[in-house]
Amino acid sequence: GAGVSQTPSNKVTEKGKYVELRCDPISGHTALYWYRQSLGQGPEFLIYFQGTGAADDSGLPNDRFFAVRPEGSVSTLKIQRTERGDSAVYLCASSLTPGAGYEQYFGPGTRLTVT
Amino acid sequence: GQQLNQSPQSMFIQEGEDVSMNCTSSSIFNTWLWYKQDPGEGPVLLIALYKAGELTSNGRLTAQFGITRKDSFLNISASIPSDVGIYFCAGPANAGGTSYGKLTFGQGTILTVHP
Repeated sequence: GAGVSQTPSNKVTEKGKYVELRCDPISGHTALYWYRQSLGQGPEFLIYFQGTGAADDSGLPNDRFFAVRPEGSVSTLKIQRTERGDSAVYLCASSLTPGAGYEQYFGPGTRLTVT
Repeated sequence: GQQLNQSPQSMFIQEGEDVSMNCTSSSIFNTWLWYKQDPGEGPVLLIALYKAGELTSNGRLTAQFGITRKDSFLNISASIPSDVGIYFCAGPANAGGTSYGKLTFGQGTILTVHP
């Protein structure tokens, strides 16, 4: 079946601009996660949704970052007033249920470059 | 927060050789996961471990959940060129906590296989 999809695959934006990154989880998966991966590092947790609500947003670095999942399926990560330090690969993952043995399935990521 | 340390950071081996890598933590983990990431792709789950001492195989891959619950090991037998990539260990960010599914990752082991 279809895996997790993310769009766009690449996004180049100027410092100070607003960006939206989209994630389509695996059909039927109730839990959705966003991670950020910098070059040479492992993914770092940003936020996790159970259904429509953000169950844990403790990884969001500051209030410029916000994520929604209005219908419990597709999620959008929103970054305001982008900074060069926001440049990274943003990964989305989903799992059948929260926890679900912690077996999360990742999308290919969106590479964000802030110039 | 909890940190996972992977070693070695990188490995250069000949096709056909066996590979061993490990992951350690200063705190106890109840679950260990091993992921592989190819360039431009998201991490792919290889093996999940849920019980101390557990030994689990997936083809040529074998992973073990350390008895102390503070480490895990991944072995690859008879390596082939497509084994090239970055291998990450991961575990629940809050051992015994309520944020289900929030993972913390190691920094990765980069594997290069020479034909």
